Amino acid sequence: SAVISQKPSRDICQRGTSLTIQCQVDSQVTMMFWYRQQPGQSLTLIATANQGSEATYESGFVIDKFPISRPNLTFSTLTVSNMSPEDSSIYLCSVRAQGADGYTFGSGTRLTVV
Amino acid sequence: GESVGLHLPTLSVQEGDNSIINCAYSNSASDYFIWYKQESGKGPQFIIDIRSNMDKRQGQRVTVLLNKTVKHLSLQIAATQPGDSAVYFCAGATGFQKLVFGTGTRLLVSP
Repeated sequence: SAVISQKPSRDICQRGTSLTIQCQVDSQVTMMFWYRQQPGQSLTLIATANQGSEATYESGFVIDKFPISRPNLTFSTLTVSNMSPEDSSIYLCSVRAQGADGYTFGSGTRLTVV
Repeated sequence: GESVGLHLPTLSVQEGDNSIINCAYSNSASDYFIWYKQESGKGPQFIIDIRSNMDKRQGQRVTVLLNKTVKHLSLQIAATQPGDSAVYFCAGATGFQKLVFGTGTRLLVSP
């Protein structure tokens, strides 16, 4: 299965600033996704990152707050903009390789906003 | 400090017991399901999957059962070990598109 490198693994940020999270995959993948996991809760899909076009956002998530890039089939970034303490969560990248069952997850970025 | 897992239902078992974790899904169009294990500070780890044309699939010490009639999924872990202690999530997809997660269950295994 694909191996995902997600950076940074954790960060503490000041409110009002922005953080960009990187997701690098060791092979070309069909689909890339970004999830948020708030403390003690399940994973919520933020958006599907589309290669060469705008990401597809889920209800409750907007591009201005969570801009996403996917310049090629192995890399994506998620930016958390104008952060507030409510954005403190774990952010996870996930991929599905073409022709493969299963969705692989990165180890996540633990974000704390103070 | 961080309070991880306090919002999740908990299943407590003794080492050596069999564990059954349940999950209900709402989308009848879901045709692919996965069980994940998540340990503290880590991303979800794939355990086992099942397609909707099956009702049972077995792995090493784990079995997944799918009941499409009542939209229910279960994960059975045989001879549960302390290393099985984690949060378990079911997730489903339609046509191998976006994966939607269930609420999760914390499994606590006592020696």
